[in-house]
Amino acid sequence: EVQLVESGGGLVQPGGSLRLSCAASGFTFSSNWMTWVRQAPGKGLEWVANINQDGREKFYVDSVKGRFTISRDNGKKSLYLQMNSLRAEDAAVYYCARDGSQGNDFDYWGQGTLVTVSS
Amino acid sequence: QSALTQPASVSGSPGQSITISCTGTSSDVGGYNYVSWYQQHPGKAPKLMIYDVSNRPSGVSNRFSGSKSGNTASLTISGLQAEDEADYYCSSYTNTRAFVFGTGTMVTVL
Repeated sequence: EVQLVESGGGLVQPGGSLRLSCAASGFTFSSNWMTWVRQAPGKGLEWVANINQDGREKFYVDSVKGRFTISRDNGKKSLYLQMNSLRAEDAAVYYCARDGSQGNDFDYWGQGTLVTVSS
Repeated sequence: QSALTQPASVSGSPGQSITISCTGTSSDVGGYNYVSWYQQHPGKAPKLMIYDVSNRPSGVSNRFSGSKSGNTASLTISGLQAEDEADYYCSSYTNTRAFVFGTGTMVTVL
């Protein structure tokens, strides 16, 4: 059974940093692109970033470029999102998702971890 | 990277069919057959319902179907059931190698 478990969310002050983690199990982690998606309270889904199988290709939504870094450790079957210079508008539930076999959809999702940005 | 446009809400009676539209541009929906649809119940993670415009993952009811014409994709739910009441989001690959989601549609079963 595919499982994705996020952790690392919490309360952080504007301008602060946070590192999210996503532990994967039940599939060959190194075979799939992986993605972070966020959802602000009461709002819609927003694609944040993705990373290819060996970690060399990374893409970001414009609003987080230069502030967020996606990475992965295939040996630990883990996905990460380093978030720096956090802003109030970054507050959201952050979901880790596995990209489908063709890399064009998100076929499994974690339960999400909540990030709150407030002073 | 503007969000794809979906109607805010769609409703129907049990047994009826409803269709949700998802409008983008030639840089996303119109340029690729990489549109997917997600169902999200309150407080839950999204669930993949349709991928590559019209394909259903294993385990998803055949009451759900997808299509695309030009820059607009559509999700149709036939034989509407109470359990279909949820938020639905489309997503598309884009020409910047990023992805974009739709604005979301709340489906209400009357």
